[in-house]
Amino acid sequence: AQSVTQLGSHVSVSEGALVLLRCNYSSSVPPYLFWYVQYPNQGLQLLLKYTTGATLVKGINGFEAEFKKSETSFHLTKPSAHMSDAAEYFCAVSQSNTGNQFYFGTGTSLTVIP
Amino acid sequence: KAGVTQTPRYLIKTRGQQVTLSCSPISGHRSVSWYQQTPGQGLQFLFEYFSETQRNKGNFPGRFSGRQFSNSRSEMNVSTLELGDSALYLCASSRTGKTGELFFGEGSRLTVL
Repeated sequence: AQSVTQLGSHVSVSEGALVLLRCNYSSSVPPYLFWYVQYPNQGLQLLLKYTTGATLVKGINGFEAEFKKSETSFHLTKPSAHMSDAAEYFCAVSQSNTGNQFYFGTGTSLTVIP
Repeated sequence: KAGVTQTPRYLIKTRGQQVTLSCSPISGHRSVSWYQQTPGQGLQFLFEYFSETQRNKGNFPGRFSGRQFSNSRSEMNVSTLELGDSALYLCASSRTGKTGELFFGEGSRLTVL
């Protein structure tokens, strides 16, 4: 069975500060990992994904994440927060043998303080 | 390139009624998935269709059903609505049948009174 845990349902950072959103997963086979962002009244937009290869993944809007197999983690970071980064962030896991069935974390709401 | 289109965007129903939601995937995408999003349960997988066949199904009662047409458009139906069915229903399409990037629509927000 697969599951995703996002530590911290709410995270606040000052504008210009480091953003760190935590994600841990459990998977019985090598996982595919994703981070999505959701703005109010909108669907989800892909930030970045890890499938195979390089464990440090760069995404859109300056975000990146590192796959650490030993820690079963896939934390999302951004060096300097912008006001426009305020949104809900979801970590998701899937497996190659389950098609497009994704398991999402409960989300982390990011607030950026001016 | 047009994105994933869901209709209607908002709807209000009463308990016991049924509802049908529609999803038009991105052109060329053959996989369509449905998710239910609620504040309490988060995003939960309903089902996935690929080339008109249901490939995966989440842990929802039989009142939730779906189908996919030959043009890849998909519909989901919820019968005998309950208050707890109030949610944002999100459709996502993907180009391939293997695990790939999901492209989400803006969702259909269902309120059950």
